[in-house]
Amino acid sequence: NAGVTQTPKFQVLKTGQSMTLQCAQDMNHEYMSWYRQDPGMGLRLIHYSVGAGITDQGEVPNGYNVSRSTTEDFPLRLLSAAPSQTSVYFCASSPTQGSQPQHFGDGTRLSIL
Amino acid sequence: GESVGLHLPTLSVQEGDNSIINCAYSNSASDYFIWYKQESGKGPQFIIDIRSNMDKRQGQRVTVLLNKTVKHLSLQIAATQPGDSAVYFCAESRSGGYNKLIFGAGTRLAVHP
Repeated sequence: NAGVTQTPKFQVLKTGQSMTLQCAQDMNHEYMSWYRQDPGMGLRLIHYSVGAGITDQGEVPNGYNVSRSTTEDFPLRLLSAAPSQTSVYFCASSPTQGSQPQHFGDGTRLSIL
Repeated sequence: GESVGLHLPTLSVQEGDNSIINCAYSNSASDYFIWYKQESGKGPQFIIDIRSNMDKRQGQRVTVLLNKTVKHLSLQIAATQPGDSAVYFCAESRSGGYNKLIFGAGTRLAVHP
């Protein structure tokens, strides 16, 4: 049982490039979410999904897109990377909406030059 | 805006001592509070939570106290061990569950032998 798997672990992009951060969970969890973590700050919610085909915005959604075509996968897309998006990105999942604590992946460290 | 914050950015303790990590929150409508532990290079790991209708909850070596009068949350770790060294985050939820978490900035706990 791998839990929440994020790929890649590290990535460097140039400004304006696009990229997809992958997140997969093998626990059949309905709820998935993306957070970003910046130095000296707590995690901030970007987007979340309560089930396949359903997504919604979190606290800081601008510059990011998501989709949820399957229960297992919840990719995060940067369409045109900006230096302000340099951060560590965490994906999380939980069995149902609001019932149990979220399980986090180990993060993707993204640098945008 | 409303946020979850922490009083101390770094806490140093001796192995075997008890640790107390504090957190202030500003939204009286928050109904769940969660503590996470984050080790270097890892995602946050759930420690313990407490609902707004409780003022104390105990786990294994950890206790969370909630004082709604002064909007204060604390995490007590008994007999602190080197393995407890990490960054600790408090988070609040206003959605009736664990989703849409608002995180504090974190406190680093350093345990010295």
